[in-house]
Amino acid sequence: GQQLNQSPQSMFIQEGEDVSMNCTSSSIFNTWLWYKQDPGEGPVLLIALYKAGELTSNGRLTAQFGITRKDSFLNISASIPSDVGIYFCAGNNNAGNMLTFGGGTRLMVKP
Amino acid sequence: ETGVTQSPTHLIKTRGQQVTLRCSSQSGHNTVSWYQQALGQGPQFIFQYYREEENGRGNFPPRFSGLQFPNYSSELNVNALELDDSALYLCASSGRRGPQRGETQYFGPGTRLLVL
Repeated sequence: GQQLNQSPQSMFIQEGEDVSMNCTSSSIFNTWLWYKQDPGEGPVLLIALYKAGELTSNGRLTAQFGITRKDSFLNISASIPSDVGIYFCAGNNNAGNMLTFGGGTRLMVKP
Repeated sequence: ETGVTQSPTHLIKTRGQQVTLRCSSQSGHNTVSWYQQALGQGPQFIFQYYREEENGRGNFPPRFSGLQFPNYSSELNVNALELDDSALYLCASSGRRGPQRGETQYFGPGTRLLVL
């Protein structure tokens, strides 16, 4: 089945630093999504990407949909303590609303 | 607050038992998807319900079954529980058209199931 490989698995950074994480797939996706999950909560959508090559920002977050449609990255600029959490990429291939998730990147921010 | 609620929040069962988890979708959403999230992993798609019928299924055995009711709320049933079924079970509600049409999935907080 489809698999999304997300890296890095975890990051421990200083407040104010920029962060980059990425996701690769063996299959093509038509939509890439980035979610954040806090402890005890479900994932919350951060950014949705709908076209190959698309670059989209949401505040300090920027994500890009790879040209090959097999990868995506998420950047967080000037990290703050509330950025702590687990970030997931997810792909959709027109199969309704079924999402395939990556394994997650755990972000820790040191004040 | 996504407007998606799940019950119970936590549950402990023993191997071989059966469990029912419940989900109330956000107002106006007619599609409910269920995901299993094992500790330290990303969510895995179990199945999706639209207008009270299963509308897609992931790689899960038949002992995972579901229902959707006329008010679009949903249940996930798991029979003959195994130790590996221990996980966070997430429900997500949305419209049916998919994320390409801007249909965002809103996740509930999940039900944490422990099988002993």
